[in-house]
Amino acid sequence: DSGVTQTPKHLITATGQRVTLRCSPRSGDLSVYWYQQSLDQGLQFLIQYYNGEERAKGNILERFSAQQFPDLHSELNLSSLELGDSALYFCASSISGRVHEQFFGPGTRLTVL
Amino acid sequence: DQQVKQNSPSLSVQEGRISILNCDYTNSMFDYFLWYKKYPAEGPTFLISISSIKDKNEDGRFTVFLNKSAKHLSLHIVPSQPGDSAVYFCAASSLQGGSEKLVFGKGTKLTVNP
Repeated sequence: DSGVTQTPKHLITATGQRVTLRCSPRSGDLSVYWYQQSLDQGLQFLIQYYNGEERAKGNILERFSAQQFPDLHSELNLSSLELGDSALYFCASSISGRVHEQFFGPGTRLTVL
Repeated sequence: DQQVKQNSPSLSVQEGRISILNCDYTNSMFDYFLWYKKYPAEGPTFLISISSIKDKNEDGRFTVFLNKSAKHLSLHIVPSQPGDSAVYFCAASSLQGGSEKLVFGKGTKLTVNP
């Protein structure tokens, strides 16, 4: 158990809908990262927050947005969902914001029908 | 454009033998390399890393080798155990524009047979 929690574990929804994925970092970790793993793909970095502020952005679509709240939990919002958004979404956290100190959550599996 | 490539989707080895997982990269700005292990229904877990100023890093049964001129790194597991069966991801990072990002390969599924 990495100490990073993600909810829900599974999510099934329809095209055009909007969903919110939630991540609680390890106690004391200030930085949260979001990754997408599509079928047969490596993890693609989406976005990083550090102590409530956006620090780095990767290949995140405009239909996707994220935020980190004062209690340091983070939410990833996915809207106007398409079939191709079906993937595993991982959250990771680190205390310092250095990528090589990340601990990953178990992921949320999103299925768009 | 895939900057980190793991060309072998799968690898099967016998228990007790050596497992060698390979990774190639194209971006010469990468300065830190990591290996993650992933079991089904779990998130990736950090295994071992190496800085670009080194060519070898060892941690117990796991050794990572870095060949900068060839832009190639490998993970050696000796001896392999059935519990090592998992998907292994190679990742690389660089500090660009004030931010640091991890770029992952697609993974290699390792099966260690008893």
